[in-house]
Amino acid sequence: GAGVSQSPSNKVTEKGKDVELRCDPISGHTALYWYRQSLGQGLEFLIYFQGNSAPDKSGLPSDRFSAERTGGSVSTLTIQRTQQEDSAVYLCASSLNGQGAVKNIQYFGAGTRLSVL
Amino acid sequence: AQKITQTQPGMFVQEKEAVTLDCTYDTSDQSYGLFWYKQPSSGEMIFLIYQGSYDEQNATEGRYSLNFQKARKSANLVISASQLGDSAMYFCAMSGGYSTLTFGKGTMLLVSP
Repeated sequence: GAGVSQSPSNKVTEKGKDVELRCDPISGHTALYWYRQSLGQGLEFLIYFQGNSAPDKSGLPSDRFSAERTGGSVSTLTIQRTQQEDSAVYLCASSLNGQGAVKNIQYFGAGTRLSVL
Repeated sequence: AQKITQTQPGMFVQEKEAVTLDCTYDTSDQSYGLFWYKQPSSGEMIFLIYQGSYDEQNATEGRYSLNFQKARKSANLVISASQLGDSAMYFCAMSGGYSTLTFGKGTMLLVSP
């Protein structure tokens, strides 16, 4: 498809389990971003990839959260030992260029809704 | 640090009327970008319009225009001739150091027939 694709669209898991969320960016986009959207906190930045490296991981809330990107394309966000406060919508975005670009239009996927029971 | 403030939690407008959604920002950067996104109930964030801090003209994209007042640090979104399909959450955002986006809390717009 032409847009950013995220899977799964919904994920229900039990507290303490690990989950993996996947993002397939727009072809040719070098920059990839993960955000989290929750009722109490609004939209929060998590991590930014330029190619396969992550120059900005400042938004990851704890060491239970990690992400990787391979081949300059697909990215996986992993949450270990999930907690109820991890319940949120996780949004992925990609853009043509990243660092240093002020006009950096990010295109978002539909998100993964994570529910931790 | 950058900050975006959207003071209107909700707005109502009648179909075919114009509506202005407020956004103020704070940054110490000289060069920055301002964005508006629309989020319908389906959840996807849809890019609407962009304004660069050095752009002299206000940005326009179809029925959307951005009223940029740099001295006041405001970047209000104006939607002309509202349509029922405009009912959604609207987010103002600005670009940061690695071009990550800082978002406001959003404004829920409801368009009535």
